[in-house]
Amino acid sequence: GENVEQHPSTLSVQEGDSAVIKCTYSDSASNYFPWYKQELGKRPQLIIDIRSNVGEKKDQRIAVTLNKTAKHFSLHITETQPEDSAVYFCAAPPVVGGSNYKLTFGKGTLLTVNP
Amino acid sequence: DSGVTQTPKHLITATGQRVTLRCSPRSGDLSVYWYQQSLDQGLQFLIQYYNGEERAKGNILERFSAQQFPDLHSELNLSSLELGDSALYFCASSVDGDSPYGYTFGSGTRLTVV
Repeated sequence: GENVEQHPSTLSVQEGDSAVIKCTYSDSASNYFPWYKQELGKRPQLIIDIRSNVGEKKDQRIAVTLNKTAKHFSLHITETQPEDSAVYFCAAPPVVGGSNYKLTFGKGTLLTVNP
Repeated sequence: DSGVTQTPKHLITATGQRVTLRCSPRSGDLSVYWYQQSLDQGLQFLIQYYNGEERAKGNILERFSAQQFPDLHSELNLSSLELGDSALYFCASSVDGDSPYGYTFGSGTRLTVV
């Protein structure tokens, strides 16, 4: 099955700085890579995703990059704000038998943005 | 509101007991996925149902079972509960069973076993 590793487990930045979270995956056939944000006590929410036919995708202050050769993808948050403080999860689907129907999640990164 | 409804929000029960968690997917979504979230294990996939049939199984204990009904709501049954079963249980739904696109989580059920 898919194995997703996420680093770092905790990240503390000053407001206005950038934050980068990295994930590696094991199944070279995986082709969809979402990122979820989970605030304390709330549900994980999709914030951005990328499919393997592109190398980068941006949405305002958030971007995701994908390196299929190295099997890793990263979340970039620029001009961080206190409301960006949350746990961020990366995920990848296993492609077993051609069906990528469930997501395997990384263990999460606790991002703290200090005012 | 994500459109995925989970009940109850909180559940406190004793060891050895049995509980049922309920999930209603977004309108039009056919797949329901169950995840367990504990502090040290992150989001662990338990089981997936698609249009009433079991589609994929993850790290689900034999004491746990699930089903999806004709109206597409799903129930996760946890029996012979142990302290270690205390966790947040999320369900997610998506339109079909063959892609994870549009994967949306419910608000979760916090289970506390005492």
